[in-house]
This record gives sequence, structure tokens and C-alpha cells, in this order.
Amino acid sequence: DTGVSQNPRHKITKRGQNVTFRCDPISEHNRLYWYRQTLGQGPEFLTYFQNEAQLEKSRLLSDRFSAERPKGSFSTLEIQRTEQGDSAMYLCASRRVGGQSHAYGYTFGSGTRLTVV
Amino acid sequence: RKEVEQDPGPFNVPEGATVAFNCTYSNSASQSFFWYRQDCRKEPKLLMSVYSSGNEDGRFTAQLNRASQYISLLIRDSKLSDSATYLCVVNIEAGTYKYIFGTGTRLKVLA
Repeated sequence: DTGVSQNPRHKITKRGQNVTFRCDPISEHNRLYWYRQTLGQGPEFLTYFQNEAQLEKSRLLSDRFSAERPKGSFSTLEIQRTEQGDSAMYLCASRRVGGQSHAYGYTFGSGTRLTVV
Repeated sequence: RKEVEQDPGPFNVPEGATVAFNCTYSNSASQSFFWYRQDCRKEPKLLMSVYSSGNEDGRFTAQLNRASQYISLLIRDSKLSDSATYLCVVNIEAGTYKYIFGTGTRLKVLA
């Protein structure tokens, strides 16, 4: 297992188009998180899954955003009708929950950098 | 007040210097604390967890002060390779492991 994998690494799209990103977490990690990061800011929480269940969505996640994790393994994040303000790095992270897991941080993927033109 | 606040810097220090960053958090019920390192245009990577009694990992020392609600990171004998942004991370809601990130403190170690 080589860690958390995200693709594509970069995506340039025209305003109004739909885009979808994929995240493959570390296989034994049951929690999966999506964050968004813009220049000069820390990552901002968007949503997270426990297995296939989406447990929380941030207010930042407008109705144009949807995330799924259909089989409790990989996850997708779709943005419909993209806007220039959606331009950011979209980061996926996973972690194991259970045991002494309070001491463990996330493992992040390399991110998908979205540019909306 | 932001949930997690950090001085954005940049902190410009010479090689070999000792540098310290602080981070304050607003929720007294916060459970877990971490420092992450982020290189330019890369993903954040876990540097170290912060334990109540304080902990050390080589040149790095992390401290937690629950009474004043801040955590700190001390870097001794700075190396050029330590240049990065250091993100303070707090788990505010027990059981969710939903981490709140600070904006980061940028460190530049100068030759």
C-alpha cells in the first residue's frame, strides 16, 4: 500500500463545467476526509465518511458539491457548475479509528489542484 | 475568534538557530493536537502529535498548555531543510477526528 492516492493531480476547467475527483485511501483506514485549501490558508474541512456513510458536511459544501464513498473504499468529490471561487487544492485524507487512534493524525493524498477559468 | 490561530510569519532564522511557534485554540474541550509540516505546493504531512506531558522527537519539541489553550513547537539547531509552513491542528469534536487547521506559520531557514 503506497498511501492515499488522488487523481487527477491537476484539473483546469471552464466555468460552468462539472468536475469529479477521486480519492483512494489507505486500505485499512475506515475514515475518509475531504478538505479544501487556498493559497495562504490552512486546509478547510468539507466532509467526512465512516466507511460508506457520510457523517458530516461543512457549510462550505454548497449544493453544487457532492461526495460519495459507495463501497466504503474510494471516494469521489463532484463539483457541478464550477465557479472561479472553486479554484483550490482539494485534499483527501484517511485515518484508522479505534484502539489508541486518538494519537494518530491523518495521512493526506497529494491533492487535486483545480483551476477554473 | 478563530478556532485555531497562528502567527503566519514568515519567521526568517539563520541555520543553527532555535525557533518557537505558538498556536492558540478556542475550544477548551479540544481533544487531540498535532503539528503538520507543509512544503510549497505539497500536501501536509504529520510532524508530531502533541501530548499533555509534552514530547520530543529529535530536534523538535511540542508542548501543550491546556490552561492557556495553546500549543507550541520548538525547533532546535535549525536546518535549511526545515524551511516550510508549520500547521497547528486541533481535534475539537471528540470521536469525529475532524481536524481544524490553523493558517500555518511559514519558516525560512537562511544559510
